[in-house]
Amino acid sequence: DSGVTQTPKHLITATGQRVTLRCSPRSGDLSVYWYQQSLDQGLQFLIQYYNGEERAKGNILERFSAQQFPDLHSELNLSSLELGDSALYFCASSTGGTGVYEQYFGPGTRLTVT
Amino acid sequence: AQKVTQAQTEISVVEKEDVTLDCVYETRDTTYYLFWYKQPPSGELVFLIRRNSFDEQNEISGRYSWNFQKSTSSFNFTITASQVVDSAVYFCALSDTDNTDKLIFGTGTRLQVFP
Repeated sequence: DSGVTQTPKHLITATGQRVTLRCSPRSGDLSVYWYQQSLDQGLQFLIQYYNGEERAKGNILERFSAQQFPDLHSELNLSSLELGDSALYFCASSTGGTGVYEQYFGPGTRLTVT
Repeated sequence: AQKVTQAQTEISVVEKEDVTLDCVYETRDTTYYLFWYKQPPSGELVFLIRRNSFDEQNEISGRYSWNFQKSTSSFNFTITASQVVDSAVYFCALSDTDNTDKLIFGTGTRLQVFP
């Protein structure tokens, strides 16, 4: 158990809908990252937050947005869903700050868009 | 641009065999970090190791060992005396030290260990 929690574990929804994925980092970690794992694109970085502020953006679609709250949990919002958004979405956390630290991953949320 | 290549898509071995998973990386930075993660059939990503670009010493952890060679831009992972529980997809990843420590993953190598 990495200490990172993600809910829900599975999500099935229809095209055009909007969903919210939730992540709680390990205790004491300030950085949260979101990654998408799909058969087509592999594991791709979406976005990073550090202590409530956005730090970096990767290949995140405009239909997707995220935020990190004062209690450091994070939410990834996916809207106007398309079939191609079906994937496993991972949240990871690290101590953050300057330097590069190991990232610990949550169990993932498997999103299926029908 | 940074890139990680794991040329071996799938490897099958019989228990107790040694197996090496290859990882080749590209980066223009002189300071960077390399990682290995394991993704068992249950789906979670498990951190195995982090190595910075200034530390070329090989590392051993139980049956796992890692060989880092800057001259060939490789960071290979060897499992000695493999076991069925080692069956998983293994990902190599790279992080540089720009303003983000995002991970750039390779495509993964699926290891199947048969009894």
